[in-house]
Amino acid sequence: DAGVTQSPTHLIKTRGQHVTLRCSPISGHKSVSWYQQVLGQGPQFIFQYYEKEERGRGNFPDRFSARQFPNYSSELNVNALLLGDSALYLCASSLPRGGKETQYFGPGTRLLVL
Amino acid sequence: QKEVEQNSGPLSVPEGAIASLNCTYSDRGSQSFFWYRQYSGKSPELIMFIYSNGDKEDGRFTAQLNKASQYVSLLIRDSQPSDSATYLCAVNSQAGTALIFGKGTTLSVSS
Repeated sequence: DAGVTQSPTHLIKTRGQHVTLRCSPISGHKSVSWYQQVLGQGPQFIFQYYEKEERGRGNFPDRFSARQFPNYSSELNVNALLLGDSALYLCASSLPRGGKETQYFGPGTRLLVL
Repeated sequence: QKEVEQNSGPLSVPEGAIASLNCTYSDRGSQSFFWYRQYSGKSPELIMFIYSNGDKEDGRFTAQLNKASQYVSLLIRDSQPSDSATYLCAVNSQAGTALIFGKGTTLSVSS
């Protein structure tokens, strides 16, 4: 079975630009979460979506937004890019299980903002 | 502020030894605890999860949970050079949606 897929794998943007990252979950998983990982740190939670509804949001500015589609794939959008947005963006999929869900990560999109 | 703390390392062990990785967390309401392995330049890979107090074994890996002490550990027996990676401890938030990660412990296994 295919795991979580993400596209693109790498991306270079300049400050002020906009970026869209895409994620397809494991077949049968209805929940998608997004994380940002900067070098030397653990991943930080950005959003979680389940059945196209936002279930949780981390402490990120409104420049970050996301959505989930009927096929459970998801997009993360970042507007007005800053140098500090350079990071590995991770998508994870899961089956909600009342607080005991296990999240499986995709390969990530490495974003560099110049 | 809910936190997960790990020693950043590096933790260096010889091949064949037991590696012990530790993690503490602040949210007493957390229900699920995870260990992920992350090789340099790659994404995190789930290696263990544990929900109940005590030990859980899977091959060379043993996860230990003590909710009273808010402490989670991972033991790797018969460590191999291929185990050299950063190990991330993660805890679910009380709401059950987000994983809160520590900064990771870098493990180096020398042959």
